[in-house]
Amino acid sequence: DGGITQSPKYLFRKEGQNVTLSCEQNLNHDAMYWYRQDPGQGLRLIYYSQIVNDFQKGDIAEGYSVSREKKESFPLTVTSAQKNPTAFYLCASSNVAVRENQPQHFGDGTRLSIL
Amino acid sequence: QKEVEQNSGPLSVPEGAIASLNCTYSDRGSQSFFWYRQYSGKSPELIMSIYSNGDKEDGRFTAQLNKASQYVSLLIRDSQPSDSATYLCAVNSYNQGGKLIFGQGTELSVKP
Repeated sequence: DGGITQSPKYLFRKEGQNVTLSCEQNLNHDAMYWYRQDPGQGLRLIYYSQIVNDFQKGDIAEGYSVSREKKESFPLTVTSAQKNPTAFYLCASSNVAVRENQPQHFGDGTRLSIL
Repeated sequence: QKEVEQNSGPLSVPEGAIASLNCTYSDRGSQSFFWYRQYSGKSPELIMSIYSNGDKEDGRFTAQLNKASQYVSLLIRDSQPSDSATYLCAVNSYNQGGKLIFGQGTELSVKP
């Protein structure tokens, strides 16, 4: 079955620790995205990538880093510089269409909390 | 003014009624509009896409788009308790390289 797999489902971070969230897709989508969702809030874009080895900052990139070494994978690292990391993190992917934007499809998410 | 605005709700409707969810957007160059459903604690699920003015129907769902008024809506006919969720409106932003901008979502509660 094609889809987007995020792991782990729950993650706990200690003070001063970097943690990495995994996102893998087998939909052959070109574009991948990371969003953060806080309780009662909409989705805020952290980083996105439209092609391998290239990515752009979203609206709230500070304290986060990404890589895109393979088309299928787009891991997100939450660094110790992100002082308020507790949130629901969502990875999404989409085809990059010329004439109209294709919808984004989401993984099941990772819940990150501070210990 | 927020780029994509939705009433946060909660919107409460009785079972079997029509639920009407509304969304306005600020970027006149936007071309693509999406409605996602998000159950509590889960990730968003795409339920409708609409690209041109008018209505688009899919089962009990109808999306309506009016680009002149910068307005997109979602109607849910014969609402069921299982429709209780938060509905997110998403709009591609021509001025921001086609990124999707999400509204804050409208919480819908369907009472049996």
